[in-house]
Amino acid sequence: AQKVTQAQTEISVVEKEDVTLDCVYETRDTTYYLFWYKQPPSGELVFLIRRNSFDEQNEISGRYSWNFQKSTSSFNFTITASQVVDSAVYFCALINYGNDMRFGAGTRLTVKP
Amino acid sequence: NAGVTQTPKFQVLKTGQSMTLQCAQDMNHEYMSWYRQDPGMGLRLIHYSVGAGITDQGEVPNGYNVSRSTTEDFPLRLLSAAPSQTSVYFCASSSYMAGSSYNEQFFGPGTRLTVL
Repeated sequence: AQKVTQAQTEISVVEKEDVTLDCVYETRDTTYYLFWYKQPPSGELVFLIRRNSFDEQNEISGRYSWNFQKSTSSFNFTITASQVVDSAVYFCALINYGNDMRFGAGTRLTVKP
Repeated sequence: NAGVTQTPKFQVLKTGQSMTLQCAQDMNHEYMSWYRQDPGMGLRLIHYSVGAGITDQGEVPNGYNVSRSTTEDFPLRLLSAAPSQTSVYFCASSSYMAGSSYNEQFFGPGTRLTVL
């Protein structure tokens, strides 16, 4: 079975610090998709990024960047110059062509002013 | 577009009662799914559907039934509620190309269910 591990349960930083959220996954499939979602205190789930297993390019979107390394089965997420509005629970997820979607347990990020 | 809608937002049931959580999307998405979110466990897939008339089990299907008679609707039925089913339930949809790609999932606002 597939598995996604987010070892960091909670992280607390001070505003303007950089922070990296770790995501390690397990799958036997060669084709799969990885996602990051944000869940702010209001409770909705917000899509951040999708990456397929054949695209190992790192991606940057404003203060957000993602590092995908198949060799270590990791898909880490970095927030540069964190802001209070970044406070949320962040989920990493994986899906294969068997439609088996697995989420990690989530990392709660608190950014203090 | 309303996106993905879920009703009700809150529900309290007694053990043994049955109910249906409603989910609808207006984006003509083929793929729809139900998740439950429990503290410290992330989201777990209950059931999913890749099109009208096609459903399948996810990671935690026991105690839940689904059907997909139309592209738009994907209701989740609890046949005999148990306290272990106390959770927040999310419905999601996405465009899907079999054997080709998965796109982002759009989530509904969630239903908070308490079973006493």
